[in-house]
Amino acid sequence: GQSLEQPSEVTAVEGAIVQINCTYQTSGFYGLSWYQQHDGGAPTFLSYNALDGLEETGRFSSFLSRSDSYGYLLLQELQMKDSASYFCAGSTYGQNFVFGPGTRLSVLP
Amino acid sequence: EAGVAQSPRYKIIEKRQSVAFWCNPISGHATLYWYQQILGQGPKLLIQFQNNGVVDDSQLPKDRFSAERLKGVDSTLKIQPAKLEDSAVYLCATIGVGSTDTQYFGPGTRLTVL
Repeated sequence: GQSLEQPSEVTAVEGAIVQINCTYQTSGFYGLSWYQQHDGGAPTFLSYNALDGLEETGRFSSFLSRSDSYGYLLLQELQMKDSASYFCAGSTYGQNFVFGPGTRLSVLP
Repeated sequence: EAGVAQSPRYKIIEKRQSVAFWCNPISGHATLYWYQQILGQGPKLLIQFQNNGVVDDSQLPKDRFSAERLKGVDSTLKIQPAKLEDSAVYLCATIGVGSTDTQYFGPGTRLTVL
């Protein structure tokens, strides 16, 4: 099976950089995804890592270290609209996904 | 392209009643998932379909939950009878052929069991 751990809450100010960590324990691990979910909304895909290293998509970057069973999502130039919950999700070769408990990000003015 | 459609958006029922949710995936998306998301938690996989076949239903409470995807397109998830702890948002998500990572989620159905 799989289990993932994330911090429950993170707070930062507009314009700052924030890092949300995710550690996982899994069998048959294939890759790590990140999703954003605003209150009352559906999760939306942000980023995916199947290989070690950094993936950059605009203001968002994601990192994976398979040897450490660890990944993180980096959000730069924070905006108020980035206030949301962020989930890491581990996937297997069978495209089976297990989501972490989520990190609630609050961006302050 | 049109997104994943789900209906109804909201449903309120009494415990022990039955309820059904419907999902219409993005055209051509072969893999379909149903998730249960309890308030303040991450989505929990209930069942995974590949076309009209079940890939994984290990976390589906089969004594009360059932799901089908008869023609490999639309899917329905049913709960019978419902319990108070079934109150949650039920999310449908799909992945396109050849993709391994990007799930597209529907807006979800918010179920309240009284």
